[in-house]
Amino acid sequence: DAKTTQPPSMDCAEGRAANLPCNHSTISGNEYVYWYRQIHSQGPQYIIHGLKNNETNEMASLIITEDRKSSTLILPHATLRDTAVYYCIVRVGGNQFYFGTGTSLTVIP
Amino acid sequence: GAVVSQHPSWVICKSGTSVKIECRSLDFQATTMFWYRQFPKQSLMLMATSNEGSKATYEQGVEKDKFLINHASLTLSTLTVTSAHPEDSSFYICSAREWSGLLTYEQYFGPGTRLTVT
Repeated sequence: DAKTTQPPSMDCAEGRAANLPCNHSTISGNEYVYWYRQIHSQGPQYIIHGLKNNETNEMASLIITEDRKSSTLILPHATLRDTAVYYCIVRVGGNQFYFGTGTSLTVIP
Repeated sequence: GAVVSQHPSWVICKSGTSVKIECRSLDFQATTMFWYRQFPKQSLMLMATSNEGSKATYEQGVEKDKFLINHASLTLSTLTVTSAHPEDSSFYICSAREWSGLLTYEQYFGPGTRLTVT
């Protein structure tokens, strides 16, 4: 399975954009990139996913580089409720998600 | 989005007893459900994949006789921790898959069950 690498922690000022990077240098052509987040003691929450094109929804934007070896999740206006652990996952052709260590994002007032 | 529930949200049991955790997809049919375990300050670890009407597929290192999984309907999967011991204390999370196309899908997670074995 393709593995992902994320910084262990990041801080972001409230109201500013939070940009969370993810490296997935061994990704294959048919593998999707998913982002989830987990607020303390809760189940992970789906944020967004993409294959090669940039994607945007009501929660975030996903920017995937042209070579697909890395991506960035953008929370355009971070709030205190966005404090969570963010997981970048590459899904292979099967069903399973294998979680990496994620990035702990702290939004600072 | 689709909703997945778990019951109970927390449970305390004595060492040697068995505990059953339920996972339900509330507003969609889930042909595949997944069970994860998460220890404090660690990431989620996939335990098994459960397909409706068939035996679960366990990840390497997960004891299938200890963690019994049943997926008897399209909306319900259960995880039974048999002969629980303190080292089984953990946060157990289920997820369910909903198709949104041929190649892409979203996986929705339950709120988790906190198991404490005394």
